[in-house]
Amino acid sequence: NAGVTQTPKFQVLKTGQSMTLQCAQDMNHEYMSWYRQDPGMGLRLIHYSVGAGITDQGEVPNGYNVSRSTTEDFPLRLLSAAPSQTSVYFCASSPILRTENTEAFFGQGTRLTVV
Amino acid sequence: QQQVKQSPQSLIVQKGGISIINCAYENTAFDYFPWYQQFPGKGPALLIAIRPDVSEKKEGRFTISFNKSAKQFSLHIMDSQPGDSATYFCASPLNTGFQKLVFGTGTRLLVSP
Repeated sequence: NAGVTQTPKFQVLKTGQSMTLQCAQDMNHEYMSWYRQDPGMGLRLIHYSVGAGITDQGEVPNGYNVSRSTTEDFPLRLLSAAPSQTSVYFCASSPILRTENTEAFFGQGTRLTVV
Repeated sequence: QQQVKQSPQSLIVQKGGISIINCAYENTAFDYFPWYQQFPGKGPALLIAIRPDVSEKKEGRFTISFNKSAKQFSLHIMDSQPGDSATYFCASPLNTGFQKLVFGTGTRLLVSP
């Protein structure tokens, strides 16, 4: 009954360091996405994927890379961390087709601080 | 490029009162309007959703009202309870068909005992 699992929950990076935020889902969902949440700005889409091998940019993709080698995993890579990337990051997954009752399932989030 | 404008930013309601959160959207191609609820330290979770061919949808104490001509939709929480204290996001899809969602900026609701 895991749903969407994100690791780590907390991370502190120094400016210029790189790291990968992990996201895994066990619901066999085709669609996965990454959002960042900042005070007063809501949730902003970073990257998304409609299936293994297919990714695309969202609203705020600069400084982030993604890949989707399997249906289950969708890691987010920070190439060279900057203080502006201090945020809470959420991974979400859902079935590819949308109906009124389709739900996007979110992970618990990763709180990242870049110093 | 905020395509969904949400207000108010924060809201304090007394227990038993009605909480009202509003959203305005721009893209007339939007065809699905969900509300998500987020408790501190948790990810957002779907609360209730509506399609634009319906003017109102009610689930328990939660009601979505939709005004297609004004391009607005709102969440009403009747008989608000302290357990409803959370951040609420309206959202809408960016594409037809699948779950690429754009979110409002969020409303932090505090229900006082």
